[in-house]
Amino acid sequence: KQEVTQIPAALSVPEGENLVLNCSFTDSAIYNLQWFRQDPGKGLTSLLLIQSSQREQTSGRLNASLDKSSGRSTLYIAASQPGDSATYLCAVRRNRGSTLGRLYFGRGTQLTVWP
Amino acid sequence: GAGVSQSPRYKVAKRGQDVALRCDPISGHVSLFWYQQALGQGPEFLTYFQNEAQLDKSGLPSDRFFAERPEGSVSTLKIQRTQQEDSAVYLCASSLPSGGLDTQYFGPGTRLTVL
Repeated sequence: KQEVTQIPAALSVPEGENLVLNCSFTDSAIYNLQWFRQDPGKGLTSLLLIQSSQREQTSGRLNASLDKSSGRSTLYIAASQPGDSATYLCAVRRNRGSTLGRLYFGRGTQLTVWP
Repeated sequence: GAGVSQSPRYKVAKRGQDVALRCDPISGHVSLFWYQQALGQGPEFLTYFQNEAQLDKSGLPSDRFFAERPEGSVSTLKIQRTQQEDSAVYLCASSLPSGGLDTQYFGPGTRLTVL
């Protein structure tokens, strides 16, 4: 079974810091990996999607890397802002079997950026 | 365009009651997923539809849980004889292609509290 772990569980930093959120998964046979943001009382917003053949994806101040062989992904947030405060979730898709479409999620990293 | 919508947003049920949760996916989206998110946890897969066909229901925790999508659009998740452990946020997601291998777009969720 695919298990996804996220470290740290919570992070509180002052505005302006560069941040690194970590995600690891047990089964390297993945189709892609996705980072989501979840705000309280709201659904998940997709931030970045990395295909298994890719090494990284960038969107604005966000950069996600993928090392499939070691089962790791990192989300890098540059120059953090209070508006970045949210829970960040990592999710992977498997590339074989009857469960192709389903996502396997970690528990998330709860980020607080204070002014 | 409208995103994924879910109703009700909040539901309080007494233990033993039946509940029905509705999901309206993005128009034209073929794939539809239901996830359950307990407090402090990441979402857990429940079931997956491709059009009206339920292709994977391996995540449904018990036979008290039932999902349908009769016309390949709106979906309903029904929970019979609710228990306290059913308290969670129920998330619905849809994606355009069959197989659900592309980005999944999530609704805001329905928060179910069973007393």
